[in-house]
Amino acid sequence: DAGVTQSPTHLIKTRGQQVTLRCSPKSGHDTVSWYQQALGQGPQFIFQYYEEEERQRGNFPDRFSGHQFPNYSSELNVNALLLGDSALYLCASSGGRRRTGISYEQYFGPGTRLTVT
Amino acid sequence: AQKVTQAQTEISVVEKEDVTLDCVYETRDTTYYLFWYKQPPSGELVFLIRRNSFDEQNEISGRYSWNFQKSTSSFNFTITASQVVDSAVYFCALCGMGQGAQKLVFGQGTRLTINP
Repeated sequence: DAGVTQSPTHLIKTRGQQVTLRCSPKSGHDTVSWYQQALGQGPQFIFQYYEEEERQRGNFPDRFSGHQFPNYSSELNVNALLLGDSALYLCASSGGRRRTGISYEQYFGPGTRLTVT
Repeated sequence: AQKVTQAQTEISVVEKEDVTLDCVYETRDTTYYLFWYKQPPSGELVFLIRRNSFDEQNEISGRYSWNFQKSTSSFNFTITASQVVDSAVYFCALCGMGQGAQKLVFGQGTRLTINP
C-alpha cells in the first residue's frame, strides 16, 4: 500500500519564477492538504482540497494556488517566487469520508524542498 | 484562534533517561483533536498519536506515553528509557472537529537529541 508521494524531492528556482509541486495521496484517501515548513519552524497550513475544490485556506497570498484532480492527486503552484518561499512543502492526505466518515488522521509525504535564489 | 505552544526548543539527554516533551494549546472549540508527530532528519512527518477532547484517559504505547489534561490545556509526551533512534524533532498539533475544520495547527517543535 503506497503512502503519500511527492515530486520532485528537491527544487531550485530563481526569484520571480513559478513552480509546481505534485502530490499523490495515500490509497483510499480523497482529501489533500498542503503545508509550508520554513527552516526551524512548525508546518503552516496553506490549503486543503476535497472533491476538486479548495475547502479551506490558511494565511497565504494568492500567489499560492492549487488543484485537485479526479484521481485525488494534487498540485501546488507558487507564482512570482520570493526568497521567503524557500521551505519544505509537505503534502498530507486524509479522508475516505464517503465510506468511513471524516478522518482527522493526516498522513504526510516526504516533502519537496524548494530553494529560491 | 487556535495556538499550540511547545516551550522547549531543544532537549538533550543521555540514552536510557526518561524525557517529557511539553505541549500547551489554546482553542475556542469545544471538540477537537490533538496529535503528536515525529520528524526525523529525512523530513517526513510520522504520525504518533491522536487524542480527542472527549477522552482524557492517558495512553501508553511501548516506551511512549501521553498525558492529556484538559484543565490545563496540556498534552505532554513522555519517552521512557530513551534510545538514540528517538532523536528527531517532535511536533504537537491541534485540529478542530466539524465540517471543513481539518487543518492542523502545529507548535514550533522540540528538537530531541539522545546521546549514547
